Amino acid sequence: KNQVEQSPQSLIILEGKNCTLQCNYTVSPFSNLRWYKQDTGRGPVSLTIMTFSENTKSNGRYTATLDADTKQSSLHITASQLSDSASYICVVNAGNNRKLIWGLGTSLGVNP
Amino acid sequence: DTEVTQTPKHLVMGMTNKKSLKCEQHMGHRAMYWYKQKAKKPPELMFVYSYEKLSINESVPSRFSPECPNSSLLNLHLHALQPEDSALYLCASSQEWDNTYEQYFGPGTRLTVT
Repeated sequence: KNQVEQSPQSLIILEGKNCTLQCNYTVSPFSNLRWYKQDTGRGPVSLTIMTFSENTKSNGRYTATLDADTKQSSLHITASQLSDSASYICVVNAGNNRKLIWGLGTSLGVNP
Repeated sequence: DTEVTQTPKHLVMGMTNKKSLKCEQHMGHRAMYWYKQKAKKPPELMFVYSYEKLSINESVPSRFSPECPNSSLLNLHLHALQPEDSALYLCASSQEWDNTYEQYFGPGTRLTVT
């Protein structure tokens, strides 16, 4: 069964600190993996999209890694800011049916 | 311009009302999507339009009726909704209906059914 699992479910950190969010998937065949940031009550915004041949991709203070062998991805946030408080969702594309498999997200709170 | 716009931002409707949600993009994208999102859940795909033709209907009840008048516009007509249909409705678009392409989401319409 195609699944995407994220951990932790929620996380609170202090402003300026770094954090890493995890995503494990059992999607096959694999086409790509993306990370979205979603503020409460708003639409998701894409942070990165990675194919199986890419193992690291950065977007400002966000760095995503992908290990296609172990089917794991992580999102590392550096020097967190209050505006990073949001839900971070891992989404995997099952390449054979045009369907996106969504994780439940990690809710991140950044406190001053 | 990578913007998808949605109107209205908020909508409150009774179970006997008829209303419509609107979505617009001017990126030349040929695929457009409707998603429904409940609190603390990921978005659930409802409909996919590709080149203005309905390509996917994820077994959505007939009280939701999508329409794609042209390549830039997507509507969702609502009729006789139930309170459990209250949710955030998201529109998205991508260059093609192929998930190698990025999906761009609108800000959503917060729908409350009373």
